[in-house]
Amino acid sequence: GAVVSQHPSWVICKSGTSVKIECRSLDFQATTMFWYRQFPKQSLMLMATSNEGSKATYEQGVEKDKFLINHASLTLSTLTVTSAHPEDSSFYICSARDAASGSSQETQYFGPGTRLLVL
Amino acid sequence: QQQVKQSPQSLIVQKGGISIINCAYENTAFDYFPWYQQFPGKGPALLIAIRPDVSEKKEGRFTISFNKSAKQFSLHIMDSQPGDSATYFCAPGVTGGGNKLTFGTGTQLKVEL
Repeated sequence: GAVVSQHPSWVICKSGTSVKIECRSLDFQATTMFWYRQFPKQSLMLMATSNEGSKATYEQGVEKDKFLINHASLTLSTLTVTSAHPEDSSFYICSARDAASGSSQETQYFGPGTRLLVL
Repeated sequence: QQQVKQSPQSLIVQKGGISIINCAYENTAFDYFPWYQQFPGKGPALLIAIRPDVSEKKEGRFTISFNKSAKQFSLHIMDSQPGDSATYFCAPGVTGGGNKLTFGTGTQLKVEL
């Protein structure tokens, strides 16, 4: 149980285009999902917290107009990188918390990640 | 984000040996202390986690030791195996503060035959 998927697993795009990444909780409902970015051989940096039915909360230094987050249902959150540039090339990882009562509210289940390369 | 520092940065252990990774944090509001394992090109996976009301927790070959006064917690991997070779992250969080995790700097473990 507690599986999180991401699509696509990797994407290559031209500079200036927009890219959408999907994060789905497959066997549980998630009122809260998180988006992270990880550069090679570095740690995960939290970008934003995505709450179902409300606006995302962005971490300091993350441009909300560049990284658009939508959490339209209890099982799906999307991250759109708008007008992508080579410096946006990174590994983007989402995580989700199980909203069911009785579940460990602290546990975050991570997706497999999406590798973005902007040429 | 508050800094969370891990040591060592990298570690080589012989098969069957004990791997020890330490995590030091600053934020005294943290009340959830997990360790994650990440293989190259994959997302992190939860290994083991502890709450501050206990000083030690063991699950199989993995043990967390927690020292609240020193603001440190550690991961011990007993009988280390080549399949344990991965990057390990501590990621303490505040359960009442949106459950955000703050990932540590990471430790690359290699277990040699």
